Amino acid sequence: DQQVKQNSPSLSVQEGRISILNCDYTNSMFDYFLWYKKYPAEGPTFLISISSIKDKNEDGRFTVFLNKSAKHLSLHIVPSQPGDSAVYFCAAADSGNTPLVFGKGTRLSVIA
Amino acid sequence: DTEVTQTPKHLVMGMTNKKSLKCEQHMGHRAMYWYKQKAKKPPELMFVYSYEKLSINESVPSRFSPECPNSSLLNLHLHALQPEDSALYLCASSQDFRGETQYFGPGTRLLVL
Repeated sequence: DQQVKQNSPSLSVQEGRISILNCDYTNSMFDYFLWYKKYPAEGPTFLISISSIKDKNEDGRFTVFLNKSAKHLSLHIVPSQPGDSAVYFCAAADSGNTPLVFGKGTRLSVIA
Repeated sequence: DTEVTQTPKHLVMGMTNKKSLKCEQHMGHRAMYWYKQKAKKPPELMFVYSYEKLSINESVPSRFSPECPNSSLLNLHLHALQPEDSALYLCASSQDFRGETQYFGPGTRLLVL
């Protein structure tokens, strides 16, 4: 049973526009959420996180939004740059108990 | 400094070989992890060490044997692997294993012939 779902395997966006990556989760005990970016043959790089006491967290061009009632989070990248092209993994945890659970990833392509 | 280092970067081994993967972090983190990642798949958790003790073993075959010699080091000993074990092996660390942000190493790309 997939507890963290990224339903879009890929996304293409024009340079300078907004990229929106989505993630849904099923476990209502999850209270800590992260986004990782991954280039081929490299380890995932931590991008941004949010805890369930917040509904938004911003870091430069990256903003994560959390909608707890819908069990949904999204990552907004604006403006998108070609160097943002990578696979983005959403991850979640029940911070009392479990290590991270990863979604299957969304491949973002930013076209110049 | 959020660096996790892994050696070797690449490893090719036969099914009868014994080899080890190494991971090191100097962030004072007390949890360390091994993940396996196949192409186009998310990282799959294999083992978690917390305070140098094995906390989680996700039903990994015994041909993979983890070891945590001290709080900064994590090894993965490999013996009698199968070709389907070929993958990117990732090490990660975090302050504590309960949901803290994990920092990943660059991975070891393993090919089993």
